[in-house]
Amino acid sequence: EPEVTQTPSHQVTQMGQEVILRCVPISNHLYFYWYRQILGQKVEFLVSFYNNEISEKSEIFDDQFSVERPDGSNFTLKIRSTKLEDSAMYFCASSRDRAGYTFGSGTRLTVV
Amino acid sequence: EDQVTQSPEALRLQEGESSSLNCSYTVSGLRGLFWYRQDPGKGPEFLFTLYSAGEEKEKERLKATLTKKESFLHITAPKPEDSATYLCAVQGGSGGSNYKLTFGKGTLLTVNP
Repeated sequence: EPEVTQTPSHQVTQMGQEVILRCVPISNHLYFYWYRQILGQKVEFLVSFYNNEISEKSEIFDDQFSVERPDGSNFTLKIRSTKLEDSAMYFCASSRDRAGYTFGSGTRLTVV
Repeated sequence: EDQVTQSPEALRLQEGESSSLNCSYTVSGLRGLFWYRQDPGKGPEFLFTLYSAGEEKEKERLKATLTKKESFLHITAPKPEDSATYLCAVQGGSGGSNYKLTFGKGTLLTVNP
């Protein structure tokens, strides 16, 4: 069964450093998303991406965040200057028709 | 703003003891209601999408139903491998929302052998 692949599975970074989280969506999917889950809290929407541009973003997705689809297969989330409160599980998801999302296994980001 | 409330927060069952999980929601223009299963340290795994009141879907020991205000996930004769957190999410269709999912906090289900 097709999968959404995320790397790395766990990343530890110093406060103020830049991190890039990587995702390989399912190959015939057209819509791409990032969500995050702070420990013990709800899964929260960050951003959706379609046709090489952001289609929607949440209040969380401020200027320190950016997304990119640099080639035909990868989808990345960059956090420019990490803060302690950015520590969370970050999930990439993709969908073919916006109805059924497939999520990746996530990247656990720890900011120290 | 779309809102999802799940209850109970945690549920312990004996193997074979059937029960239901609740998901109450408020949304402007429901496009879909989703149920996911999440194991510790993993991403949400898709179970069902429901689109309109009265709709029901089944998969093995799970059955999801939908009304205009809530959804139920019924678990019949659960097994220990059904232990997980079950997440409910809604996809709204107004206010500029472009198909994002709004999740509840989930119900942690533990099934004891």
